[in-house]
Amino acid sequence: GAGVSQSPSNKVTEKGKDVELRCDPISGHTALYWYRQRLGQGLEFLIYFQGNSAPDKSGLPSDRFSAERTGESVSTLTIQRTQQEDSAVYLCASSFIGQYNEQFFGPGTRLTVL
Amino acid sequence: AQSVAQPEDQVNVAEGNPLTVKCTYSVSGNPYLFWYVQYPNRGLQFLLKYITGDNLVKGSYGFEAEFNKSQTSFHLKKPSALVSDSALYFCAVRDLMDTGRRALTFGSGTRLQVQP
Repeated sequence: GAGVSQSPSNKVTEKGKDVELRCDPISGHTALYWYRQRLGQGLEFLIYFQGNSAPDKSGLPSDRFSAERTGESVSTLTIQRTQQEDSAVYLCASSFIGQYNEQFFGPGTRLTVL
Repeated sequence: AQSVAQPEDQVNVAEGNPLTVKCTYSVSGNPYLFWYVQYPNRGLQFLLKYITGDNLVKGSYGFEAEFNKSQTSFHLKKPSALVSDSALYFCAVRDLMDTGRRALTFGSGTRLQVQP
C-alpha cells in the first residue's frame, strides 16, 4: 500500500521567500506529525495534528512557521520569510489513533535556503 | 520532560560480528521506546518498539533491543552484522505519563558502519 508521501523532495529558495511543504499521510491515519532534521542532528518535533482536535504547536520554532491540515488528509507546512537556519530536511509522519501506535515517516523534503 | 541520549556518533563493526548501538532515556513515567533506521535519502523506517512485557524485543531485519529499567537503557543489538545494515539509527521515547504529548523525542542518531 501507499506510504506517507511528501512534496517536493527538494526545494531551494532564496532568503526571505515563503515556502510550502506538503504531506500526504497514509489513508486512515488520523494523527499527523511534522519534524525537522538539521544536518547531522536528530529530529525536532514541530507540530502534531489529531483529527479535529486543536493541533499541538509546541514545537514550532517561531511565528514564521505554520501548518494546516485538511480534515484527516493532506497537511501543508508553511515557512514565511525563510532564513538560512531553516535549511533542513522536513519530515512528516502519520499514525493511527492510539498512544501505542508507531509513526510511519515520509521521505522528507530537503529545504535549502540560500 | 523526556530525553534520549545516543552516546556514540558512529559505531564500526566487521561483517558477521555482533553489533550494539547504545541508547539511554529519561522520562517521568513509563517509557514507550522505539528504534528507527534511516538509509541515505530515505525517510525513517520503524525497526521495533517497547511498551511493556518482555525486556527483549525483536524487530525487523534480525534486530532486537533490550530494555533495562534500572539503567534506563534500550540498546539495539544484532547477533551478526551485514554490510547492508550500514545506516543511521535513531532511538526515540515517549513518556506515557504525558498523555498530552504524542510526539516522539529522538536521539541525535548513531551512524553504523559495517565493514566487509
